[in-house]
Amino acid sequence: DIQMTQSPSSLSASVGDRVTITCRASQSISSNLNWYQQKPGKAPKLLIYAASSLPSGVPSRFGGSGSGTAFTLTISSLQPEDFATYYCQQSYSTPWTFGHGTKVEI
Amino acid sequence: EVQLVESGGGLVKPGGSLRLSCAASGFTFSTYSMNWVRQAPGKGLEWVSSISSSSSYIYYADSVKGRFTISRDNAKNSLYLQMNSLRAEDTAVYYCARDDFWSGYDAAYRFFDYWGQGTLVTLSS
Repeated sequence: DIQMTQSPSSLSASVGDRVTITCRASQSISSNLNWYQQKPGKAPKLLIYAASSLPSGVPSRFGGSGSGTAFTLTISSLQPEDFATYYCQQSYSTPWTFGHGTKVEI
Repeated sequence: EVQLVESGGGLVKPGGSLRLSCAASGFTFSTYSMNWVRQAPGKGLEWVSSISSSSSYIYYADSVKGRFTISRDNAKNSLYLQMNSLRAEDTAVYYCARDDFWSGYDAAYRFFDYWGQGTLVTLSS
């Protein structure tokens, strides 16, 4: 199974900050990497797919980069509604696996 | 509008069984693979099972293999998860999620683009 390691597990930030979350795969997954945002009591929401593509409706302050084993989610200017937990997920091979999450809080 | 609505969760004793359902609407259900993903209280996301559009391909996480069975009824736009021999560690919110893909220049990239609101399964004696 491919292990996904996220860091940090949590971070404190302020509105307007630039935030970076990293995700590492235990083996190369090309660009088969997705990011999800989850707010308390809610279902996850797709944020980034194929490492760097934004679904329609996702604000452009969210960006993804990387390939192979190292990936990054960047929020260019943190907004109040961005305080949430973020998960990476590999879609290279089953079992699909998620990182343990990064909680972004004030 | 795409909607996925799970149901069937509840309180069950260890060793018991439960069948979850996911009602889909707003898209052509029969053309999409579907998944179950769960989240234990206060924990992260764990993929449970996938089923292809025609049920030809089915995959399970090792943690549920042999105990859980995923199925679908395309005529009813519904996804199911039959859970048997339930254990305390199966306590979680269970989400159904649609599986879509994007064709890049070199490969197809899969992702879960729509999720239901989840249904809670609680194991307790």
